[in-house]
Amino acid sequence: AQSVTQPDIHITVSEGASLELRCNYSYGATPYLFWYVQSPGQGLQLLLKYFSGDTLVQGIKGFEAEFKRSQSSFNLRKPSVHWSDAAEYFCAVGMNPADRGSTLGRLYFGRGTQLTVWP
Amino acid sequence: DTEVTQTPKHLVMGMTNKKSLKCEQHMGHRAMYWYKQKAKKPPELMFVYSYEKLSINESVPSRFSPECPNSSLLNLHLHALQPEDSALYLCASSQIRGETQYFGPGTRLLVL
Repeated sequence: AQSVTQPDIHITVSEGASLELRCNYSYGATPYLFWYVQSPGQGLQLLLKYFSGDTLVQGIKGFEAEFKRSQSSFNLRKPSVHWSDAAEYFCAVGMNPADRGSTLGRLYFGRGTQLTVWP
Repeated sequence: DTEVTQTPKHLVMGMTNKKSLKCEQHMGHRAMYWYKQKAKKPPELMFVYSYEKLSINESVPSRFSPECPNSSLLNLHLHALQPEDSALYLCASSQIRGETQYFGPGTRLLVL
């Protein structure tokens, strides 16, 4: 069964500090991995995704994530956080379409990590 | 352009009302999704449409009735809702089922 673990419910960093949000997943083959960000009362915005190839992926707003198969992880990083980055961050895993399962299209979300940025 | 639009932004309804939520995309995507999100929780999948056909129904109560009249439009018809149905309802679309999902801004629903 597919699942996602985000071990940190809440992280607080100072503006300008570096950030790493953790995500571990469970999936039988090579998954589709995503990071989404959600500001209060808003929809989810895609930050980045990993399907295959280079394990270090670049996203929008200066974010990057690294896929580590051996650790079943897909951690999100940013070298210097801005106050506007304060939001809820969700890691998600989806079935690879090549696997053609009945749950294709279902995203399994982690519980989210709330990021607070101190000025 | 990766825009999904949802109307209305906010909706207040009584338990005997009938209302509908609307979702639209003009990206040529052939898969569309409805999610329900409670405060401080991740989105929960409700329905998936692929090529205008219902592909996944996550055992959602019948008071929620989805409809996909064409490839650009997805509706969610609401009838006899309960206060616990109050939530943010999110729509998403993807090129095909299983590909990257792009979300709309959501409809904030309050059931009184």
